[in-house]
Amino acid sequence: QKEVEQDPGPLSVPEGAIVSLNCTYSNSAFQYFMWYRQYSRKGPELLMYTYSSGNKEDGRFTAQVDKSSKYISLFIRDSQPSDSATYLCVVNSLPPTRQLTFGSGTQLTVLP
Amino acid sequence: DADVTQTPRNRITKTGKRIMLECSQTKGHDRMYWYRQDPGLGLRLIYYSFDVKDINKGEISDGYSVSRQAQAKFSLSLESAIPNQTALYFCATSEGSAYEQYFGPGTRLTVT
Repeated sequence: QKEVEQDPGPLSVPEGAIVSLNCTYSNSAFQYFMWYRQYSRKGPELLMYTYSSGNKEDGRFTAQVDKSSKYISLFIRDSQPSDSATYLCVVNSLPPTRQLTFGSGTQLTVLP
Repeated sequence: DADVTQTPRNRITKTGKRIMLECSQTKGHDRMYWYRQDPGLGLRLIYYSFDVKDINKGEISDGYSVSRQAQAKFSLSLESAIPNQTALYFCATSEGSAYEQYFGPGTRLTVT
């Protein structure tokens, strides 16, 4: 079983739609949960992170973690064509290494 | 100028050849990483280095070696390239055990 499972998509939505991206993870000891965004032909970049359970909002983006069900979500409101990218769900492993474990990514296209 | 640079950006090589991918950073971070990205598999960690004298194997180190020539430079070598090493390779840096890693633009490697 992969440590992080993510629906690969692709997902295509019209501009202005609400987008929901989801992941599940296997190890209940994970504490940091991140979303990285990767544009075509670019390296990933950190979009948001949350620590433990709960919600975190940043502009049009909301990250949500439910540790009881080991479920991670990213919501994008009023989606824009510039949001078209691959979104990677990422968890942070335990000390001492604290390495990042990446999901396979969901490719999102927002149509104008 | 980019904070994390990778050379070359694209490379085609033949089976059995030795190849080196180079990474340089100007962020002043101690930690550097090499990942490969394959469709449907996400990013997988090959090697990571906490400082010049500390190099560690990642999830998929077989067939690869690394050299940390200085704090700012981290090279990945394929001693005898094989076709299943065809992938997109990323270098990344981080400060301490931070959950945020900064990625280079990637090297697309094709082994024929």
